[in-house]
Amino acid sequence: SQTIHQWPATLVQPVGSPLSLECTVEGTSNPNLYWYRQAAGRGLQLLFYSVGIGQISSEVPQNLSASRPQDRQFILSSKKLLLSDSGFYLCAWSRAGPGELFFGEGSRLTVL
Amino acid sequence: AQSVTQPDIHITVSEGASLELRCNYSYGATPYLFWYVQSPGQGLQLLLKYFSGDTLVQGIKGFEAEFKRSQSSFNLRKPSVHWSDAAEYFCATGNQFYFGTGTSLTVIP
Repeated sequence: SQTIHQWPATLVQPVGSPLSLECTVEGTSNPNLYWYRQAAGRGLQLLFYSVGIGQISSEVPQNLSASRPQDRQFILSSKKLLLSDSGFYLCAWSRAGPGELFFGEGSRLTVL
Repeated sequence: AQSVTQPDIHITVSEGASLELRCNYSYGATPYLFWYVQSPGQGLQLLLKYFSGDTLVQGIKGFEAEFKRSQSSFNLRKPSVHWSDAAEYFCATGNQFYFGTGTSLTVIP
């Protein structure tokens, strides 16, 4: 069966520090991968999605970047965090074509 | 661009009452439509999905949704709400899964 792992679960970082959130998927190959951010009252905002290694599409210009160094690994990064980067970040995967989106348990980031 | 709108930010219902959560989509062709549920501090779980065919879709936990092209809607329904249904509900659309802003459901005993 397929599983998705996301870490760390909780992170408290000072403004201006770097960020790295990691997500891996097991039990499937060539998944589509996604990063979402959930801020209070704003629903889920699609940040990045990837259909293959090295292929990243950015939905919203911002202080964040994403990379896919391996088929089932998706990393969300920032060189310098802003207060506005605080939120709940969710990684997800789907198979190519119409289908279900499977979510990780999320990472709560607090920038102080 | 594909998008969905959830007009209701928060809904309160009594346990045992019926429930309808609204979702309106924006897309010219037949969209892929989804409903997800999120319990506090958790990831999201798929309730049901619509790609084509029968416009009344049955999901898990006793939920159903009806695709109405004439109204550009995909409303989620449940005939009798349980206290455990209290959660955040999200409608989504598209191959890249664009989500609405969510509806928070409170269930009164």
